[in-house]
Amino acid sequence: EDQVTQSPEALRLQEGESSSLNCSYTVSGLRGLFWYRQDPGKGPEFLFTLYSAGEEKEKERLKATLTKKESFLHITAPKPEDSATYLCAVQTGTASKLTFGTGTRLQVTL
Amino acid sequence: EPEVTQTPSHQVTQMGQEVILRCVPISNHLYFYWYRQILGQKVEFLVSFYNNEISEKSEIFDDQFSVERPDGSNFTLKIRSTKLEDSAMYFCASNRGAGELFFGEGSRLTVL
Repeated sequence: EDQVTQSPEALRLQEGESSSLNCSYTVSGLRGLFWYRQDPGKGPEFLFTLYSAGEEKEKERLKATLTKKESFLHITAPKPEDSATYLCAVQTGTASKLTFGTGTRLQVTL
Repeated sequence: EPEVTQTPSHQVTQMGQEVILRCVPISNHLYFYWYRQILGQKVEFLVSFYNNEISEKSEIFDDQFSVERPDGSNFTLKIRSTKLEDSAMYFCASNRGAGELFFGEGSRLTVL
């Protein structure tokens, strides 16, 4: 069974204080690893897809990286509007569904 | 920008009643999904649907649940004989098969 574990569960940063979120996975036949952002009471919003170890993707203050066992979401100089829950998900084998981790709840304060 | 739309945004029902949650997936997408998120818990896969039939379902998706694509645009989730533990956010999603899923804003179901 595919396992996706995210850490930390919650993270509080001051504005401008960079950090990283971790997503470790144990799966058979990874096809893709996905990062989503979820605001309270809303649906997950797609951020990045990573397909192979060594791959990196960037968008504004966010950068996602992938190794054979884990992925990191680096947040550089975060702002309060980056506060959200960040979800990691995997797509494996021939299935099209995504399997999600429990998420990291990020709060960025002034 | 195309988006997945869901109705209703919030439904309150009595235990034992049947509910139908509706979704309009993105028009050129071929795969449709329902996910559930109980308050404070992770987003859980329920079912995927392709070519007018279920392609995969989880252990959660038992005989209480059914899905249907009644016409060319709608995709529905029916929950029969609702229980208190069915209270959750239900998300519809769609994609072309490989790659990212696009999610709707969700339907909050409250069972009293």
